[in-house]
Amino acid sequence: QVQLQQSGPGLVKPSQTLSLTCAISGDSVSSNSGAWNWIRQSPSRGLEWLGRTYYRSKWYFDYGISVKSRISINPDTSKNQFSLQLNSVTPEDTAVYYCAGGTHASGLLRWGQGALVTVSS
Amino acid sequence: QSVLTQPPSASGTPGQSVTISCSGSSSNIGSGTVNWYQLLPGTAPKLLIYGDNQRPSGVSDRFSGSKSGTSASLAISGLQSEDEAVYYCAAWDVNLKGVFGGGTELTVL
Repeated sequence: QVQLQQSGPGLVKPSQTLSLTCAISGDSVSSNSGAWNWIRQSPSRGLEWLGRTYYRSKWYFDYGISVKSRISINPDTSKNQFSLQLNSVTPEDTAVYYCAGGTHASGLLRWGQGALVTVSS
Repeated sequence: QSVLTQPPSASGTPGQSVTISCSGSSSNIGSGTVNWYQLLPGTAPKLLIYGDNQRPSGVSDRFSGSKSGTSASLAISGLQSEDEAVYYCAAWDVNLKGVFGGGTELTVL
C-alpha cells in the first residue's frame, strides 16, 4: 500500500520560498511506471495542478503554466521522497497543498494528507 | 477561468441520478482521457474515474464516466447523502499539462 507523508512549514512570509516534502512508502520515487505530483486547493481557485517529476531512465519534470517561472520539484532517491519549492510567494499562494502519486493515464490514486500553507507577514 | 468548464453546482434528492458535465477542447479532452475526483471537506481528493470510464478498486459502481468528443460526464446513480461533495474533472492538455475543471458542488436535498 503506497502511502505519502507530507511535511513542511504552515506559514511563509510574502516574497519568500514555500518548501514542502513528501515522503513515499510502499513505492519508489524512481519507479519506472510512477509519477509524483504536487496539487493545491483553495476556495478561490479550486484544484490546481502544479507539477510533477518522474523517472524513465532519466528524470523528467513538468510544470503548470501558472507557476512555471517559480516552481521546482526535486526527487531525493536517498530518502525516497520528493519536494516542492515555490519562490516569491504572495498571499494568492495560500492554499492546501497535496502531494499525489500517479500518472494522468492511471489517475492520481494516492494522496498525501494535505498541508495548509498560509502566506502572510 | 478554468481550462475545463464545469457547472458550479448540481443537486438531487436521495435515490435520484445526477450528471455533471465537463467541457474542454481538442487540446485536452479531445486528445486524451478524463479523470474525475471527489473532494470532501477536510479530506484529500479521491480518484473516482480514470481513463474516461474506469473505476479504481473500491469505488462504488454508482459512479460512472463517459466521454464524447471534447466533453465528458460523470453520472451518479442512487444518490446518497454521503455523495455531497465537490467533483472535479481533470485532463492532460498538450500545452498546459495537467488541468482541472472549476469543480461542481453537489448538494443532496
